[in-house]
Amino acid sequence: DIQMTQSPSTLSASVGDRVTMTCRASQSVSRWLAWYQQKPGKAPKLLIYDASSLESGVPSRFSGSASGTEFTLTISSLQPDDFATYYCQQYNTFSWTFGQGTKVEIK
Amino acid sequence: QVQLQESGPGLVKPSETLSLTCAVSGYSISSGDHWGWIRQPPGKGPVWIGSIYHSGSTYYNPSLKSRVTISVDTSKNQFSLNLNSVTAADTAVYYCARVSGTAAGTYTHFDYWGQGTLVTVSS
Repeated sequence: DIQMTQSPSTLSASVGDRVTMTCRASQSVSRWLAWYQQKPGKAPKLLIYDASSLESGVPSRFSGSASGTEFTLTISSLQPDDFATYYCQQYNTFSWTFGQGTKVEIK
Repeated sequence: QVQLQESGPGLVKPSETLSLTCAVSGYSISSGDHWGWIRQPPGKGPVWIGSIYHSGSTYYNPSLKSRVTISVDTSKNQFSLNLNSVTAADTAVYYCARVSGTAAGTYTHFDYWGQGTLVTVSS
């Protein structure tokens, strides 16, 4: 099974900061990597798919990139609504795996 | 607008079967795409349980495969999850979701989710 490792597990930042978090796959997943935002008591919300494609309606301050088996989610200027937990998710041959999450907290 | 709604008991006894249904509105299951179940134990990340194509083809998480059955009812536009021999470790919020993709024949990410339903396993 492919394992997804997210880092850091917690990130403290201020409004306006540029924030970057990483997700590493245990083996190649091509470009089939998605990012989700989850707030307490809510379902995950799709932000990015295919490593770098922005889901419709998601603010352009969110972006994704890939380098080999390492994937990055960047928030260019952190907004109050962005304090949440972020999960990556990979797809490979009819198997889907999520990471353990990065929680973005107020500094 | 695609909407999904989970329904089923919120409390299940150990060793019994957990059964949930996901009703889909605003989109016909028969149109295609995969449909999936994901669960999230308290304080942990989501875990994919399994997925089903509208034709009935199923794919399961190997760690749960022996206990899981997912089925689809296109006439009711819904799909269902059965998880047998449950223990306290199966306590989680259970979500249903649509699995979508951009390349032909690939279903890579979950774009529409239900609100989730908490299922507690306890006697």
